[in-house]
Amino acid sequence: QLQLQESGPGLVKPSETLSLTCTVSGGSISSSSYYWGWIRQPPGKGLEWIGSIYYSGSTYYNPSLKSRVTISVDTSKNQFSLKLSSVTAADTAVYYCLVVAAPGWFDPWGQGTLVTVSS
Amino acid sequence: QSALTQPASVSGSPGQSITISCTGTSSDVGSYNLVSWYQQHPGKAPKLMIYEVSKRPSGVSNRFSGSKSGNTASLTISGLQAEDEADYYCCSYAGSSTSYVFGTGTKVTVL
Repeated sequence: QLQLQESGPGLVKPSETLSLTCTVSGGSISSSSYYWGWIRQPPGKGLEWIGSIYYSGSTYYNPSLKSRVTISVDTSKNQFSLKLSSVTAADTAVYYCLVVAAPGWFDPWGQGTLVTVSS
Repeated sequence: QSALTQPASVSGSPGQSITISCTGTSSDVGSYNLVSWYQQHPGKAPKLMIYEVSKRPSGVSNRFSGSKSGNTASLTISGLQAEDEADYYCCSYAGSSTSYVFGTGTKVTVL
């Protein structure tokens, strides 16, 4: 079955770009059955959908983050990535990568990685 | 887009049934049969419990059931067990431009 693992820096300075990678195992990221997505959760708060990508490169972003978000896919490495620019303390959160059964639901999820924005 | 509205907390005794509501609008919950529910234990990733309003993934207990009426979806947990104590989030597809909106989350306490 599909398994996902996030990786990337746990600390990012304000105004810089947050970059995370999700490695997919147990299946191909080029599968036509799924989209691949990112969701975040600030400490003690709820879930927020960031965006999704299809292996062909088609993307869908949360309108509130769209100006700062880029999601890309690397089929050769079976990975997809998240970039969030001009970060502030409000972007401090656990970031999850996941499979999107599109349109519809999210399953499975990676374990999540905490990214703290601080100088 | 605004978050879907859930009660902050719901509690029940072991063996009882509880229901968590998830209220949206005609642009999300009311327009699509694409409501899903997630269970999250502290420090863990969310787990899919219900998809497409009322379908259960393989391995999820049949004590969990979902429904929808108008702009409000609901998750019912019957035969409440200690292991059900967790946070629960609903989520709805909201169209290609907005895509997905989550609920505010509900903390379930087993008394």
